Amino acid sequence: DSGVTQTPKHLITATGQRVTLRCSPRSGDLSVYWYQQSLDQGLQFLIQYYNGEERAKGNILERFSAQQFPDLHSELNLSSLELGDSALYFCASSPMRTGGGYGYTFGSGTRLTVV
Amino acid sequence: AQKITQTQPGMFVQEKEAVTLDCTYDTSDQSYGLFWYKQPSSGEMIFLIYQGSYDEQNATEGRYSLNFQKARKSANLVISASQLGDSAMYFCAMSSASGGTSYGKLTFGQGTILTVHP
Repeated sequence: DSGVTQTPKHLITATGQRVTLRCSPRSGDLSVYWYQQSLDQGLQFLIQYYNGEERAKGNILERFSAQQFPDLHSELNLSSLELGDSALYFCASSPMRTGGGYGYTFGSGTRLTVV
Repeated sequence: AQKITQTQPGMFVQEKEAVTLDCTYDTSDQSYGLFWYKQPSSGEMIFLIYQGSYDEQNATEGRYSLNFQKARKSANLVISASQLGDSAMYFCAMSSASGGTSYGKLTFGQGTILTVHP
């Protein structure tokens, strides 16, 4: 157990639907990041939240949105789903300030299949 | 903008041999971190090794070492004494400090699939 919890692990849904992916960061971490991993695009950064506020935005579609709640868990909302949204969605967390490579902790991912 | 390039889509190595996975990066930041992650077929991202841009010594973690050549902007991963369990996808990634925090987003390369033969 990495300390980052993502639910659900698998999700199958139809085109046009809306889903919510949930992430609970490692205890003490204030930052949450969302990444999308697909065969054609590789690992793409979507968005970062730090202590409830949006900190950085990457290649996130307008149909996608995210938020971080006061208890620091985060949700990624995907709407009007298309077949191309099928991917593995990772959440990672990090503390504010520390050194070294163990700062990022990844969850086990949510595998989304749009049919 | 940051960019990570991994030019080897796939690599093959014999068990117990050493293998080098290539990674070059591009950034205008002075302070950055370089990471290698392993992703087995089960999908989880496993941290392997880290190199800070100001670290003068190459990083080592057990059988993993990072050959850091700053002037050439390369950060190659060396796996010594390969094992069958090393077969996986390997990602090189970079981060920079962001907005007062030590950690910003990670930018990933396209990955290299390593296959270890018995």
